[in-house]
Amino acid sequence: DVKVTQSSRYLVKRTGEKVFLECVQDMDHENMFWYRQDPGLGLRLIYFSYDVKMKEKGDIPEGYSVSREKKERFSLILESASTNQTSMYLCASSFGHGGYGYTFGSGTRLTVV
Amino acid sequence: RKEVEQDPGPFNVPEGATVAFNCTYSNSASQSFFWYRQDCRKEPKLLMSVYSSGNEDGRFTAQLNRASQYISLLIRDSKLSDSATYLCVVANYNDMRFGAGTRLTVKP
Repeated sequence: DVKVTQSSRYLVKRTGEKVFLECVQDMDHENMFWYRQDPGLGLRLIYFSYDVKMKEKGDIPEGYSVSREKKERFSLILESASTNQTSMYLCASSFGHGGYGYTFGSGTRLTVV
Repeated sequence: RKEVEQDPGPFNVPEGATVAFNCTYSNSASQSFFWYRQDCRKEPKLLMSVYSSGNEDGRFTAQLNRASQYISLLIRDSKLSDSATYLCVVANYNDMRFGAGTRLTVKP
């Protein structure tokens, strides 16, 4: 089975801190994604990557950056955490195109205080 | 207008009931369609893909109407274990759009 592992299940950070969320997948998927999920809003795409060192902005990239130095790892960075970034963050990976083979990590619930 | 809209729910049904969820999407170029299931505080997991001809997986039936840009999910003989949030997902190439989800609670 494809496994997508997110480094932390729960995280509490202070306003202004730089926060790193790590995601690793073990099935050699080209595509990796970062979403946040908020009640009533569904999943919203922050950034995605189709290849190493490649990154593209999603719908809500402001306040975030990403890094993909290796194919299996996609990191989400909150440059200066703010309380409105309190959310559930979900990483996903997939092979090919069209949404097939999409697998999510178990999520990181981030609270910014 | 949201790109993918779902019945807001919540749906509270007794065991054994039949329940239907609806979903509409705005991008007529969408190519792939899915239903995901998400348990409380867990990640979404694929329930089933949705094909134009309609498809069935046990107690679950999914339908797609491209002309009306409408997707449905029917659950027959509901079980307590079906309690979850169901997400409608529409994809155009690698652009995945998620509905906000419909919460289902199946009660004894």
